[in-house]
Amino acid sequence: EADIYQTPRYLVIGTGKKITLECSQTMGHDKMYWYQQDPGMELHLIHYSYGVNSTEKGDLSSESTVSRIRTEHFPLTLESARPSHTSQYLCASTLSGANVLTFGAGSRLTVL
Amino acid sequence: QQPVQSPQAVILREGEDAVINCSSSKALYSVHWYRQKHGEAPVFLMILLKGGEQKGHEKISASFNEKKQQSSLYLTASQLSYSGTYFCGTEKGTGNQFYFGTGTSLTVIP
Repeated sequence: EADIYQTPRYLVIGTGKKITLECSQTMGHDKMYWYQQDPGMELHLIHYSYGVNSTEKGDLSSESTVSRIRTEHFPLTLESARPSHTSQYLCASTLSGANVLTFGAGSRLTVL
Repeated sequence: QQPVQSPQAVILREGEDAVINCSSSKALYSVHWYRQKHGEAPVFLMILLKGGEQKGHEKISASFNEKKQQSSLYLTASQLSYSGTYFCGTEKGTGNQFYFGTGTSLTVIP
C-alpha cells in the first residue's frame, strides 16, 4: 500500500500554461525524487531533495523547478508548458540509510 | 551514466526461465532491482549491497559482481504475474541520488 501520493494522475493542458504536479508522502522520508519516464521506458532523474530547503537537479536537464518547504511535500512546477514536456512524471521517496525507493503512481502530462 | 540492461525485451512462456543483465561503466556500490507493471508505479524487489552477494525473492533471485560492475536478475519457472518492466538501479555520490538502468520489458504468455 503506497503512502506517497501524486496529483493529478492525468493532465491535458495547452501550451504556455503553468502547471504544478503535487507529491506528498506520509512516511517521514527525508529524501524525495522526481523522475521523468517517456514511453521508451527509461527513468530519468530530474530533481531530488535530501531534506527541507534542499533541492538539486538530476542528470536529465529539465525546465521544471521544485521546492521542499515541508518534509512531506515535494511539488514540481512548469512555468510554461510545451509539447516537449509531455511525459509521465514519477515521484519517489526514501529514508536515509534505507536505500529502498517508494514510488507514487505517477502523473501523466500531455501538453497540446 | 545510466546502467545498461540487456536484453531490452523478452517474451517467455509460463514455466520458462530468464536472465536480465545490468552493466555499468562506473563502479557499482549497490544494486537495486524494481519491477513496474503496465500503468503502475515501480515496486522494489531486492537490493544487493556487497560484491558477490546473491539474494532471492520467491523464484526471483539476483547476483552482483562488483569487479565486473554487473548484476543479473534470474527469474525461474516464470509466472504470468512476472510480466512487466524490470529496472536495475544504483546510487551515486553520497547516496542521495538513485539512477536506473535502461529497462527490460518481460512478457510471460500462457
